Amino acid sequence: KAGVTQTPRYLIKTRGQQVTLSCSPISGHRSVSWYQQTPGQGLQFLFEYFSETQRNKGNFPGRFSGRQFSNSRSEMNVSTLELGDSALYLCASSLGLAGVAGRNEQFFGPGTRLTVL
Amino acid sequence: SQQGEEDPQALSIQEGENATMNCSYKTSINNLQWYRQNSGRGLVHLILIRSNEREKHSGRLRVTLDTSKKSSSLLITASRAADTASYFCATPYTQGGSEKLVFGKGTKLTVNP
Repeated sequence: KAGVTQTPRYLIKTRGQQVTLSCSPISGHRSVSWYQQTPGQGLQFLFEYFSETQRNKGNFPGRFSGRQFSNSRSEMNVSTLELGDSALYLCASSLGLAGVAGRNEQFFGPGTRLTVL
Repeated sequence: SQQGEEDPQALSIQEGENATMNCSYKTSINNLQWYRQNSGRGLVHLILIRSNEREKHSGRLRVTLDTSKKSSSLLITASRAADTASYFCATPYTQGGSEKLVFGKGTKLTVNP
């Protein structure tokens, strides 16, 4: 069974631009969660989608948004990029809801490294 | 903040030695998870321990949980160079009706051949 895939793997953008990252979960998994990892703040939860609906949300500004499609694939969008948005963005999939709460094991993708210049 | 904290921040040992990492957290939890991350890559789930469990084993890994002290430890026995990675503990947290998984800053383990 293929693992979680994320595209693109690397991305360079400039301040003010917007970016869309994509995540394909493991086949059969219905939940996708997104995380941001930076050296300063560590790993921080962005949001979790299940059955095309955002079910859980972290403490990020509205510039960070996401969506999930009927095939469970998910996209994350960041608008008006800031230098501080440079990070490794990780997505994780799980069979059921609340993978973030530990009720279902999460499987992580390799991440998309975003650099904002 | 609910964020767990790992201790030590960095650990360097020789192959064959045991490595122990500790995690402390602040509020009551239902479970605690440990993850491994190889340099700049995705996380790999290692083990989940529930609040009613005190100890759990998986291969060379042993995790303990002390809910009275709000702490957990991860022991890797007979370490190998391939165990070189960062290790994170993660705990669930509910805020404003949303559930999320909160990670600590991690312990960077280096196993020297």
